[in-house]
Amino acid sequence: SQTIHQWPATLVQPVGSPLSLECTVEGTSNPNLYWYRQAAGRGLQLLFYSVGIGQISSEVPQNLSASRPQDRQFILSSKKLLLSDSGFYLCAWQQGAYNEQFFGPGTRLTVL
Amino acid sequence: DQQVKQNSPSLSVQEGRISILNCDYTNSMFDYFLWYKKYPAEGPTFLISISSIKDKNEDGRFTVFLNKSAKHLSLHIVPSQPGDSAVYFCAASTSYGKLTFGQGTILTVHP
Repeated sequence: SQTIHQWPATLVQPVGSPLSLECTVEGTSNPNLYWYRQAAGRGLQLLFYSVGIGQISSEVPQNLSASRPQDRQFILSSKKLLLSDSGFYLCAWQQGAYNEQFFGPGTRLTVL
Repeated sequence: DQQVKQNSPSLSVQEGRISILNCDYTNSMFDYFLWYKKYPAEGPTFLISISSIKDKNEDGRFTVFLNKSAKHLSLHIVPSQPGDSAVYFCAASTSYGKLTFGQGTILTVHP
């Protein structure tokens, strides 16, 4: 069966510090991978998606970047965090376009 | 421009009764629709989906209805249980696979 991991589960970082969140998927190959953010009291906003190694599409201009160095690894990064980067970050995988996406447990990021 | 809207931020239902969660969309290119359930501090869990070639899909206590002419879908939960209390998100996608989510509806089922 497939599983998706995210770490860390929670993170508190000062403004201006770098960020690296990691997501890995097991039990599937060549999945589509997604990063979402849920701000407090709001819906899920798609940040990045990837259909293969090294292929990243950005949905919204922002202070974040994403990379996919391996087939089942998706990384969300920032060189300098802003207060507005606080939120709940979710990674998801999908096998093919007409299938549901499955989400990881999420990372709660607080920027102080 | 919010392409998927859940106009009810919250819904309160008595245990055993029906819960009806609604969702409207504006993009006529959407052809696959999904419902997710989310508890605080957890990732969303997939519940049920429907493609645009159908108008109804059932899975146990959950039924999703799609009205393409009205660009409206709904999720029915019968009977509702206290464990169903969570935030429910509807989502829509095109053949490209990216999901567009609504803002969510908080469902509370009272014992």
